Amino acid sequence: DTAVSQTPKYLVTQMGNDKSIKCEQNLGHDTMYWYKQDSKKFLKIMFSYNNKELIINETVPNRFSPKSPDKAHLNLHINSLELGDSAVYFCASSGGQANTEAFFGQGTRLTVV
Amino acid sequence: AQSVAQPEDQVNVAEGNPLTVKCTYSVSGNPYLFWYVQYPNRGLQFLLKYITGDNLVKGSYGFEAEFNKSQTSFHLKKPSALVSDSALYFCAVRDQRGNNRLAFGKGNQVVVIP
Repeated sequence: DTAVSQTPKYLVTQMGNDKSIKCEQNLGHDTMYWYKQDSKKFLKIMFSYNNKELIINETVPNRFSPKSPDKAHLNLHINSLELGDSAVYFCASSGGQANTEAFFGQGTRLTVV
Repeated sequence: AQSVAQPEDQVNVAEGNPLTVKCTYSVSGNPYLFWYVQYPNRGLQFLLKYITGDNLVKGSYGFEAEFNKSQTSFHLKKPSALVSDSALYFCAVRDQRGNNRLAFGKGNQVVVIP
């Protein structure tokens, strides 16, 4: 069983389109995250939810909107895609305590053309 | 805000030699520290963490790391590197008093030469 699963794994789309990436975790964790990994492999946190409540919202364009229908799911919707949005997006989850490690999905490679 | 520095871009080591990947951190409170490994086209895999107690922590695949509070460091080590250890390694920190934000360093590419 995959602990944190993201779909799709690859996403190629044109500028201006709207797309969504889905994430589900079956670990019973309270906290979920979205990270962006750029071409230089830097990992930057975008959002964090705890029990469906937004707790971290970094300086991310408001074209990016996370949605957590329940604590096992955290989806990422992106409007009006731009070339600079091309990256690998990782979903992760962790227990509610700060001393727990995060578990990562396999990533979604988004390419905007 | 918490932050992590991984000063080297790439670490080259001969197979069988000791491997060290450096990490220093900055937090306002006490840290929780983590190491992750990323293989090509894969997600991050957890290796080990420091919470409290013994400064030397042991993790997966023969890796260990030493927490040094005075030097604010958490270097990753392996006594004898394998070619299969070639990957990207990330150090990460959470502030114990923080909002659960997990901050990552820029990553170090480790190349183990046969």
